[in-house]
Amino acid sequence: QQQVKQSPQSLIVQKGGISIINCAYENTAFDYFPWYQQFPGKGPALLIAIRPDVSEKKEGRFTISFNKSAKQFSLHIMDSQPGDSATYFCAASNGGSQGNLIFGKGTKLSVKP
Amino acid sequence: NAGVTQTPKFQVLKTGQSMTLQCAQDMNHNSMYWYRQDPGMGLRLIYYSASEGTTDKGEVPNGYNVSRLNKREFSLRLESAAPSQTSVYFCASSQGGGGADTQYFGPGTRLTVL
Repeated sequence: QQQVKQSPQSLIVQKGGISIINCAYENTAFDYFPWYQQFPGKGPALLIAIRPDVSEKKEGRFTISFNKSAKQFSLHIMDSQPGDSATYFCAASNGGSQGNLIFGKGTKLSVKP
Repeated sequence: NAGVTQTPKFQVLKTGQSMTLQCAQDMNHNSMYWYRQDPGMGLRLIYYSASEGTTDKGEVPNGYNVSRLNKREFSLRLESAAPSQTSVYFCASSQGGGGADTQYFGPGTRLTVL
């Protein structure tokens, strides 16, 4: 029940295309869903996050779509650029004082020029 | 403002050796975390410290110990290293201990146990 399942494991997209990464969770107590971005040799960094009171959140070219009934959320990268090539992790927590982040296994995105 | 720093960056150990990974943050954060990252496994929480003076086990604590030395520093110790502990270790910190607080990660320590 604590798992966050992420797919695909790897993704190759042409420059200018749309990258889509999906995550699913089981624990209905989760109420905070961030995405972290990690470049090679670096630590992960928060990219964008959503709470389940909204179905979509957009920041620039990055959008999170959230489907509470299906217990799924996804990251969309519009107009993908080679500089977006990185590993992306979804995560979930219950947001409370003891709510540690549970991470998905990651998606390695390569954007081809 | 250095954020979260980790030392060393790389380390090679022989089976049975011990070592301590150091982590420090200069953001006056209350909570600190240790994760390991393995290919295809994502980030798994080893230990965390919700506040100075407290530590708790995460998902994969076996074979590790931690010390929250003060508000800034949180160390991870391997008493008797095993090849299964070959991994990249990340330290992170957040303002509070809540799951919705942004975690700031260090650059990682790449550990190889032979």
